[in-house]
Amino acid sequence: EVQLLESGGVLVQPGGSLRLSCAASGFTFSSYGMSWVRQAPGKGLEWVSSVGGSGYSTYYAESVKGRFTISRDNSKNTLYLQMNSLRAEDTAVYYCGKLTGGGTGYWGQGTLVTVSS
Amino acid sequence: QPVLTQSSSASASLGSSVKLTCTLSSGHSSYIIAWHQQQPGKAPQYLMKLEGSGSYNRGSGVPDRFSGSTSGADRYLTISNLQSEDEADYYCETWDSNTRVFGGGTKLTVL
Repeated sequence: EVQLLESGGVLVQPGGSLRLSCAASGFTFSSYGMSWVRQAPGKGLEWVSSVGGSGYSTYYAESVKGRFTISRDNSKNTLYLQMNSLRAEDTAVYYCGKLTGGGTGYWGQGTLVTVSS
Repeated sequence: QPVLTQSSSASASLGSSVKLTCTLSSGHSSYIIAWHQQQPGKAPQYLMKLEGSGSYNRGSGVPDRFSGSTSGADRYLTISNLQSEDEADYYCETWDSNTRVFGGGTKLTVL
């Protein structure tokens, strides 16, 4: 059974940094691309970033480019999102997702990031 | 990059059927999409992959009450025999070589 478990969401001040983690199990982690998707309170889903199975190919939404860094440790079956220069508008639930040929095939339960002074 | 357009809301009666629409932007009418369901207070769940040909593949455990179809740039999600637990937000998703896009979502109310 595929399981994705996010962690690391907390209350952080504007301008601060945070690293989210997503522990994966139930599949061969290194064989799949992974992504982060966020959802601001009361809003829709917004793609944030994706990474290929090897970790070498990374992609970002314009809204986070230059501030966020996606990475993965295939030896630990873990996906990361390093978030720097955080802004109030980054406040959201952050979901990690397993990418398949048919879209985001599996979702984690999400972790809440609140950016506020 | 592609853009996905969805109606903000829809409603239908318990036991009836409803058809939700996701429209791909000009020049992207052949793209594959995915449909996701998000019940209130929960994480999204994958429903299916839907191709431009109209062929679709439901995710593991998704009831066969959920089906997909295509007409040009429009991608449809049909839910038959509506149940109360189908009241949720429904999102479509597509992707290309270096980006992923979600539609704005449709809030489905079961009357």
